[in-house]
Amino acid sequence: AQTVTQSQPEMSVQEAETVTLSCTYDTSENNYYLFWYKQPPSRQMILVIRQEAYKQQNATENRFSVNFQKAAKSFSLKISDSQLGDTAMYFCAFMKLSRDDKIIFGKGTRLHILP
Amino acid sequence: EPEVTQTPSHQVTQMGQEVILRCVPISNHLYFYWYRQILGQKVEFLVSFYNNEISEKSEIFDDQFSVERPDGSNFTLKIRSTKLEDSAMYFCASKSGGNEQFFGPGTRLTVL
Repeated sequence: AQTVTQSQPEMSVQEAETVTLSCTYDTSENNYYLFWYKQPPSRQMILVIRQEAYKQQNATENRFSVNFQKAAKSFSLKISDSQLGDTAMYFCAFMKLSRDDKIIFGKGTRLHILP
Repeated sequence: EPEVTQTPSHQVTQMGQEVILRCVPISNHLYFYWYRQILGQKVEFLVSFYNNEISEKSEIFDDQFSVERPDGSNFTLKIRSTKLEDSAMYFCASKSGGNEQFFGPGTRLTVL
């Protein structure tokens, strides 16, 4: 069974700083996807960034980038130039490369961006 | 931009009552999911649905739960006899054949 672990329950950083959220996972699969989802106070689930395991290049979306270490089964999220609107719960998630497979979420990291 | 919608946004019910949570997936999507999130906890998979049948269900999805796609557009989750511990946010998601599941805004279920 796959598991996703986020070891940082809560973090706070000053606006404009860079912050890194950690995530590790466990799987015996070779092909899979990894995601970071943002959940603001509205509780909507918003996809931030996606990484295909077969791609060596780390995914980047504007101020968001990941450090994907497949051998170490590590998938951290870096937020550069953090903004007040980045304040949210962030979930790391895993999905097998399958037609209809479920997403497995970590417990989340609550991120506070301080003015 | 097409999106997944869910109704109602908030449902309050008495313990033991039946509730139906409704979702309208994105129109050309084929795979449908329900997840739930108990307050302060992680999001958990409940069930996946494809080709008018359940593909996979978690141990949470017991006999009190059922899903249906009654008319080709709605995708419903029914809880037959609600319990206090069913209070949670319920998310519907859908996808086409690709890898991204699109989530709805959720229904907050409160069981009193």
